[in-house]
Amino acid sequence: VQLVESGGGPVKPGRSLRLSCAASGFSFSTFTMNWIRQAPGRGLEWVASISGGSEHIYYADSVKGRFTISRDNARNSLYLQMDSVRAEDTAVYYCVYVFLYWGQGTLVTVSS
Amino acid sequence: DIRMTQSPSSLSASVGDRVTFTCQASQDISNRLHWFQQKAGKAPKLLIYDASRLETGVPSRFSGSGSGTEFSFTISSLQPEDIATYYCHQYESLPYTFGQGTQLDMK
Repeated sequence: VQLVESGGGPVKPGRSLRLSCAASGFSFSTFTMNWIRQAPGRGLEWVASISGGSEHIYYADSVKGRFTISRDNARNSLYLQMDSVRAEDTAVYYCVYVFLYWGQGTLVTVSS
Repeated sequence: DIRMTQSPSSLSASVGDRVTFTCQASQDISNRLHWFQQKAGKAPKLLIYDASRLETGVPSRFSGSGSGTEFSFTISSLQPEDIATYYCHQYESLPYTFGQGTQLDMK
């Protein structure tokens, strides 16, 4: 199993950013996928989940209405569209499969 | 939301020590609890699932117990490579929530 995130970087408050996660080594379309984040020096925070066929989507209150999780099962890819970002969204974002497999993370830094 | 409270926040111990820390859930989560180990600069690693089941490949010195609202995690004989921060995590209900972590250092 391999999960590789990309798309992180510096972004100004109020702007948008799209994170991607390329998955391999398992039947991607079968399982729920998650985004989990970790602010610098802080603990872990669940951000969003999406079921295998995208029927069930859930968000943390802290990102609801601003972030959109999606997936493309044909491309074995998971996405997180981050709109109206805030300083408190600064974190390493992890792509996570069944909480057993984690990507290496991609750092998002929101600063003016 | 279910609040997860870990104690202590930090702990210093010596090689060979038996180390235990706890996690309390604000409501009944049955056995729907993970324990993760996170080393500096790395992604978390799943050690325990369903409160007490050891993930494949994890050394047997690690163990977990508990159900309902009270849980504990034990390292039976601390090794240098166990230095890390440990998190509990409930997956009984959304939003999934984590404890604030217990930072384990070598004395």
